[in-house]
Amino acid sequence: AQRVTQPEKLLSVFKGAPVELKCNYSYSGSPELFWYVQYSRQRLQLLLRHISRESIKGFTADLNKGETSFHLKKPFAQEEDSAMYYCALSGAFGTGTRLQVFP
Amino acid sequence: DVKVTQSSRYLVKRTGEKVFLECVQDMDHENMFWYRQDPGLGLRLIYFSYDVKMKEKGDIPEGYSVSREKKERFSLILESASTNQTSMYLCASSLLRGYRNQPQHFGDGTRLSIL
Repeated sequence: AQRVTQPEKLLSVFKGAPVELKCNYSYSGSPELFWYVQYSRQRLQLLLRHISRESIKGFTADLNKGETSFHLKKPFAQEEDSAMYYCALSGAFGTGTRLQVFP
Repeated sequence: DVKVTQSSRYLVKRTGEKVFLECVQDMDHENMFWYRQDPGLGLRLIYFSYDVKMKEKGDIPEGYSVSREKKERFSLILESASTNQTSMYLCASSLLRGYRNQPQHFGDGTRLSIL
């Protein structure tokens, strides 16, 4: 069965600091992983997917099959990055991590 | 751009009532989903549908049913509402039939309170 784990409920950083939101998964096949973001009072929306290998709003995520991880990273956090972030695998969502970026 | 519209942003109902949550998507997507979103629990799938009149149970279907009579519309029904069904309900859709490895497009959510 597929499973997604986001170990941190809350991550607080200062503006300009690096950010890493952790996501680990268990899946027997070839995983397709996504990161979704929900800003305050907005709908949940796709941030990026691993097959795209693109950077969105400065965020990147690399699939590490050996460690079964798909961590979301950004080198310099901005206040507008404050939001709820969900990792997802084939429709199964993690419990989410709230990112707070302080000025 | 895909538009997923949920009929109500806020809804207050009483215990024992039958409650209908409606969702409409305008991009001819094959799949539609209902989730509930609770703090600390993330999104949990209630039901999904990959075709008209087709449905499959998700992780927490108990106490819920769904209806998909038209491709663009997916309804969630609480047969007899209970207080533990107070939650945020999210509807989503995705393009390709039955294929869950693809991005989902979400509605704004319905915050349902059962008194």
